[in-house]
Amino acid sequence: NAGVTQTPKFQVLKTGQSMTLQCAQDMNHEYMSWYRQDPGMGLRLIHYSVGAGITDQGEVPNGYNVSRSTTEDFPLRLLSAAPSQTSVYFCASHGLQGRSGNTIYFGEGSWLTVV
Amino acid sequence: GDSVTQMEGPVTLSEEAFLTINCTYTATGYPSLFWYVQYPGEGLQLLLKATKADDKGSNKGFEATYRKETTSFHLEKGSVQVSDSAVYFCALTTDSWGKLQFGAGTQVVVTP
Repeated sequence: NAGVTQTPKFQVLKTGQSMTLQCAQDMNHEYMSWYRQDPGMGLRLIHYSVGAGITDQGEVPNGYNVSRSTTEDFPLRLLSAAPSQTSVYFCASHGLQGRSGNTIYFGEGSWLTVV
Repeated sequence: GDSVTQMEGPVTLSEEAFLTINCTYTATGYPSLFWYVQYPGEGLQLLLKATKADDKGSNKGFEATYRKETTSFHLEKGSVQVSDSAVYFCALTTDSWGKLQFGAGTQVVVTP
């Protein structure tokens, strides 16, 4: 009963380093997405995917890459970390008909600090 | 574009007090509306939802009614507990795959 699993939970990076945040779901959901959470701004969409091999940009995509080679996994890559990318990152997934209110499942979050 | 506006926090209450968190939205089309809750150190959990006008979502003593005429989805609870201390997010989606637009979040602190 894992749901959406994110790793790592905490990470400190130096400016310019690269890293990958991992996200996996075991519910066979088509849709997966990455959000970042910043104080006073709620959650903002970084990238999303509507199925294996299909990705698209959200509201704040700059500095991030994604890929979706399998239904289960949706990693988020920081190419060259910047202090502005210090944030809490959430992965989410859901099945079809998200607009109809099918539950969107969130991971527990990844706290990233760039120094 | 779509947007969600929530009242700013923190909101500090005593146990058993009445809680209301205002949420208004602007959206093209007919959005589905959600309240998510984030407990300290945890991810977001769906608290309740409403998918059409006049629907009332409810869960764990919380309620919210989809008011199309006032474009609002205010969250209420009649008697809060310390365990309700959390950050509450109002959100909407207008597209078929469920891309969410969030409000800024409202922190609620309930004291014994």
